[in-house]
Amino acid sequence: KAGVTQTPRYLIKTRGQQVTLSCSPISGHRSVSWYQQTPGQGLQFLFEYFSETQRNKGNFPGRFSGRQFSNSRSEMNVSTLELGDSALYLCASSLGGSREKLFFGSGTQLSVL
Amino acid sequence: TQLLEQSPQFLSIQEGENLTVYCNSSSVFSSLQWYRQEPGEGPVLLVTVVTGGEVKKLKRLTFQFGDARKDSSLHITAAQPGDTGLYLCAGAPNTGNQFYFGTGTSLTVIP
Repeated sequence: KAGVTQTPRYLIKTRGQQVTLSCSPISGHRSVSWYQQTPGQGLQFLFEYFSETQRNKGNFPGRFSGRQFSNSRSEMNVSTLELGDSALYLCASSLGGSREKLFFGSGTQLSVL
Repeated sequence: TQLLEQSPQFLSIQEGENLTVYCNSSSVFSSLQWYRQEPGEGPVLLVTVVTGGEVKKLKRLTFQFGDARKDSSLHITAAQPGDTGLYLCAGAPNTGNQFYFGTGTSLTVIP
């Protein structure tokens, strides 16, 4: 069974640009969550999608958005990039029940210059 | 604001030594998970504890959930270089599906 796939693996952008990250969950998993990981703040929850609907949202500005498609694949978009957005963005999938085991992808390392 | 505080933040020990990592919160969690993350990879789940006072063992790793379900500990016996990594605790509150991750403990086991 293939794991969670995140693309691209690395990304370099400049301030003010926008970026789209992609996540393909494990087959059969309907929940996709996104996390931002930085050395100073650790893993911070961005949002969770289940069956194409945002089910939970963390405390991030509106520049961070996401969506989920009918095949459960998810994308995350960050607009008007800031230097502080440099981080490892992790996607995790699960079957979708409450507090189930999360399966993480290897992440997308975003650097904003 | 971090709901879960881990200590120590960094730990460097010799192979064969024992160690304990702590995960503390002022909030009550319905369950708590421990993950290990290696460089360049996402976190991988080690264990889930759901009952206050619960103890789970995974080979040389022993996990304990506090009686009040506010804290947890991870004890490693006879650490090996393969144990090197970032250890993260994650708590699930009584409502909602969001997990709150701890600040992490970076462990280095020196051969």
